[in-house]
Amino acid sequence: GAGVSQTPSNKVTEKGKYVELRCDPISGHTALYWYRQSLGQGPEFLIYFQGTGAADDSGLPNDRFFAVRPEGSVSTLKIQRTERGDSAVYLCASSGQGITEAFFGQGTRLTVV
Amino acid sequence: GDSVTQMEGPVTLSEEAFLTINCTYTATGYPSLFWYVQYPGEGLQLLLKATKADDKGSNKGFEATYRKETTSFHLEKGSVQVSDSAVYFCALSEGSGANSKLTFGKGITLSVRP
Repeated sequence: GAGVSQTPSNKVTEKGKYVELRCDPISGHTALYWYRQSLGQGPEFLIYFQGTGAADDSGLPNDRFFAVRPEGSVSTLKIQRTERGDSAVYLCASSGQGITEAFFGQGTRLTVV
Repeated sequence: GDSVTQMEGPVTLSEEAFLTINCTYTATGYPSLFWYVQYPGEGLQLLLKATKADDKGSNKGFEATYRKETTSFHLEKGSVQVSDSAVYFCALSEGSGANSKLTFGKGITLSVRP
């Protein structure tokens, strides 16, 4: 695609439910990042993939959060037993070899009620 | 750890006014510095960047100079337009190129009145 695509754009879920958020990076980009942006704050790093492997997952807040990128392209961020505090905009970004810019998607707004 | 501090907002200016948005950082090494912008209804976009001390990044009339001695990367524009209304984020990266995580400031909302 032309840019980074994230689906869904909005997700409302009940506390305790499981959710999956999808990111489709720019074709050919090897690096993929997930960030979380709470209201009134800047994006906070969650996890970084280089190809299929998670090169840095130091930002994942706890073991309820998990992300995969099985074929080195599309990535899925998975949140188990959602809590109201998980409500935020989840942003995905990608960058390619020799490209010194990360391109962001428009984000998925997750609301846990 | 790394951190980025931006001046408190929001900022409201009249068209053609001069803009300064302050940004200071704390980092263990020699980071690259960035300004990202988020226009209403759109995703984050890179506005400009600087990768080493004394470098000046510029784009769309905006400029920012990497000041290592003051650990700052203030954003300036000589004459703002209504279309510059957006949220501006200062960020740093300790890695090489873009293949490293970004640490963002809180962001500041700029509104420009006609």
